Amino acid sequence: NAGVTQTPKFQVLKTGQSMTLQCAQDMNHEYMSWYRQDPGMGLRLIHYSVGAGITDQGEVPNGYNVSRSTTEDFPLRLLSAAPSQTSVYFCASRRDSSNQPQHFGDGTRLSIL
Amino acid sequence: KQEVTQIPAALSVPEGENLVLNCSFTDSAIYNLQWFRQDPGKGLTSLLLIQSSQREQTSGRLNASLDKSSGRSTLYIAASQPGDSATYLCAVRPLEGGGNKLTFGTGTQLKVEL
Repeated sequence: NAGVTQTPKFQVLKTGQSMTLQCAQDMNHEYMSWYRQDPGMGLRLIHYSVGAGITDQGEVPNGYNVSRSTTEDFPLRLLSAAPSQTSVYFCASRRDSSNQPQHFGDGTRLSIL
Repeated sequence: KQEVTQIPAALSVPEGENLVLNCSFTDSAIYNLQWFRQDPGKGLTSLLLIQSSQREQTSGRLNASLDKSSGRSTLYIAASQPGDSATYLCAVRPLEGGGNKLTFGTGTQLKVEL
């Protein structure tokens, strides 16, 4: 049972480069989210989706783009990488809006030089 | 704006000790509260979820309580083991505004020593 799968696990980028962080879940969950985790700041919500074709902004959306063309996949795009985007990125999913726990991937550790 | 605080930031205890981790939140209008465990270099694993109408939840050696009116939750770990060493995070889901908007605390890093 794969759960939430994130790729790549590690990535180093140069300032100004773009890239896509991949997230896939095999649990048929409607809700998916992207968070970033920075030391001393906890996890902060970047973007989220409540179903295929529906996305919305979270707390820190600037510099990131998302789409949700299928239930399974929720990629996060960095448009023009900046050093401030150096972080650990987590994708999470939940079955629906009811009292169900969130499931997290193992994260992508991203460094922007 | 909801703020979630976890104190202490780090805790070291000898094996076998019972311990309590604390989580406080400023806005009592919550849908539920969730406790997670995070191992180094890994994602978050859900431990317990307490609905706003509940007072506690138990799973094995773990017991989580919720006092919504005072904005507090505790995670009680009985008979701690070295394998319990990890960072423990709590997160609250707001009553309104979308089920994805969890607010996380910064965590308590627990070390259980032999």
